Amino acid sequence: AQSVAQPEDQVNVAEGNPLTVKCTYSVSGNPYLFWYVQYPNRGLQFLLKYITGDNLVKGSYGFEAEFNKSQTSFHLKKPSALVSDSALYFCAVRVVYNNNDMRFGAGTRLTVKP
Amino acid sequence: DVKVTQSSRYLVKRTGEKVFLECVQDMDHENMFWYRQDPGLGLRLIYFSYDVKMKEKGDIPEGYSVSREKKERFSLILESASTNQTSMYLCASTRVLGATEAFFGQGTRLTVV
Repeated sequence: AQSVAQPEDQVNVAEGNPLTVKCTYSVSGNPYLFWYVQYPNRGLQFLLKYITGDNLVKGSYGFEAEFNKSQTSFHLKKPSALVSDSALYFCAVRVVYNNNDMRFGAGTRLTVKP
Repeated sequence: DVKVTQSSRYLVKRTGEKVFLECVQDMDHENMFWYRQDPGLGLRLIYFSYDVKMKEKGDIPEGYSVSREKKERFSLILESASTNQTSMYLCASTRVLGATEAFFGQGTRLTVV
């Protein structure tokens, strides 16, 4: 079965600095990779996804993610963090041959300080 | 605007009660999922359904059952609630194609006392 790891429980950055939230995955087959964000007392909202093609994917609110097949990683990045980016971020994976399954990482809490 | 709606935001139930959590989506999605979210554990899949009356167990199905009698509605049932089922429950739906993103409900915070 596929799985996702987010090695950092917490990431702290200063406003205006670049941010990275890490994600690695394990699947048998080709993955579809997703990032979601969760604000307090809310459901998850989709940010971006990798399907195929260009390894750099751009998404909502200025976020981007880089797919690295050799390192089985899909790190979320933003060049300049905002205080309003503070939230819980989840990486998720689906596999091409098993469209009905969807697995999430444990989540990373991003705090951006002014 | 697409929507996944969970019937309750907050629920408090007593140990041993039978609890129903309802989820409705208006996007004609084939797949629906139930997750529970606990601090440090992320989202853990309880059950999912890929069609009416079809269901598959996820990683933590014990103590739960599900029902999908209509395409738009997916219910999670706690047969006999226990305190260790106190959690945030999230419903999601997607199209059958694997490359499509999921849409989530706002969550139900269940407390079992």
